This record gives sequence, structure tokens and C-alpha cells, in this order.
Amino acid sequence: GNSVTQMEGPVTLSEEAFLTINCTYTATGYPSLFWYVQYPGEGLQLLLKATKADDKGSNKGFEATYRKETTSFHLEKGSVQVSDSAVYFCALSDKTSGTYKYIFGTGTRLKVLA
Amino acid sequence: EAGVTQFPSHSVIEKGQTVTLRCDPISGHDNLYWYRRVMGKEIKFLLHFVKESKQDESGMPNNRFLAERTGGTYSTLKVQPAELEDSGVYFCASSPRTGTNEKLFFGSGTQLSVL
Repeated sequence: GNSVTQMEGPVTLSEEAFLTINCTYTATGYPSLFWYVQYPGEGLQLLLKATKADDKGSNKGFEATYRKETTSFHLEKGSVQVSDSAVYFCALSDKTSGTYKYIFGTGTRLKVLA
Repeated sequence: EAGVTQFPSHSVIEKGQTVTLRCDPISGHDNLYWYRRVMGKEIKFLLHFVKESKQDESGMPNNRFLAERTGGTYSTLKVQPAELEDSGVYFCASSPRTGTNEKLFFGSGTQLSVL
């Protein structure tokens, strides 16, 4: 079945450091891939997405590239800020058994220190 | 435009009691989803409504969970009787359409603690 594996946290970085959060997936079809972010006290928000191989999603300085050959969708940011502290969820969406379904990873907590 | 709202934000109940969670999706969103995150693990799918119909309820853990969406507007998720393992954060999400590229709009969740 479909699944998403992302690196365990927490990840603690200093402000302006480079961020990578790894995400790999298993899918039988051709899924779309997403990163969602949950800030403290809020619901999940879509951060970026990619719908086919080699697509790059980007938003707010974050980027992720859909790599079919390595089944990965790693999240990167060149210079993190304290305001980026949140939990990041990798997810895929695919059609299985006739219905569309999202599969989420376990989430990675990021803490950025000033 | 109002986002997805969930009520209550927190609920603490004793094992064996009943709890009802409510979700108000964004107006006009036909698709409504319930998810659950237990103890820092992955967010797991529970079920999917299209309007008032259950499209997919394959993620519902057992028959102690009952979801309804009368009239295709708000939805309720009832747990009766609650067990310790039901503790977690219950998220509701909505979207205007179905499809693999569709963005989900999430509520802030209900933190359920069963003691």
C-alpha cells in the first residue's frame, strides 16, 4: 500500500541555517506530493506541492522536488527563521480503490533558535 | 471567509463516556474528511464525506466511532464508549473538489484525552 516516511525530529537549528527534512514515499500509482505545515495552535496549512515527476514546489523560501527515481520529496530552505518553527508533514495523494486519499507522514518538528 | 472550525478544541473524558466532536467545513466545500493523529505518530485517515454521503470510511477504527453529516454541511464524530487508545488529535479538513491535486483546508483540531 501507499506510505510516506519522513525523518524523525525534533530538528533544532540556529537562525539562518540550512534546512533539509527528508521524505520518501511508496506508491502504486502516480501520486501528487505535498508538504503541509502546522504552526503552534493552528491547523495544517499547505506549504507546497508537486504533481508530477521532476516538478519543483516552492513557497516562502521552501522548496521540494518530486524525484521519481529515488521516490523522494525532501523539503529544503536555505536560511531558516525563528518564525519557521513548526511541525512539517509530508503527504501524498493518490487514487486507490476508486477513491482519492491523502497519506501523511509522522511529522517533523522544527525548532529554530535566535 | 471563515476557515474550517472544530469544536471543542480540547476534551477530557473518562473511559466509557461518550464524546461528540463537531466540524464546520468551509461553506461550499462538498468534501469533508476526518483524520486522527495519535501520540506524535502519522496523521491517519478516518473517513471522507461527499456532501452527506460517506465516500470512504475505511479508516474508521471500529464501530464505537460514528460519523454523520446531515444535510451536507457540518459533521459530527461520536465516540461511544471512549477507550484509552482513542486519545489523540482529531482533525477535520474540507475541499471543494476531489482529486489527487486538491488542497485540503484543515481545522485546528480537537485534542481528545481519555483517562
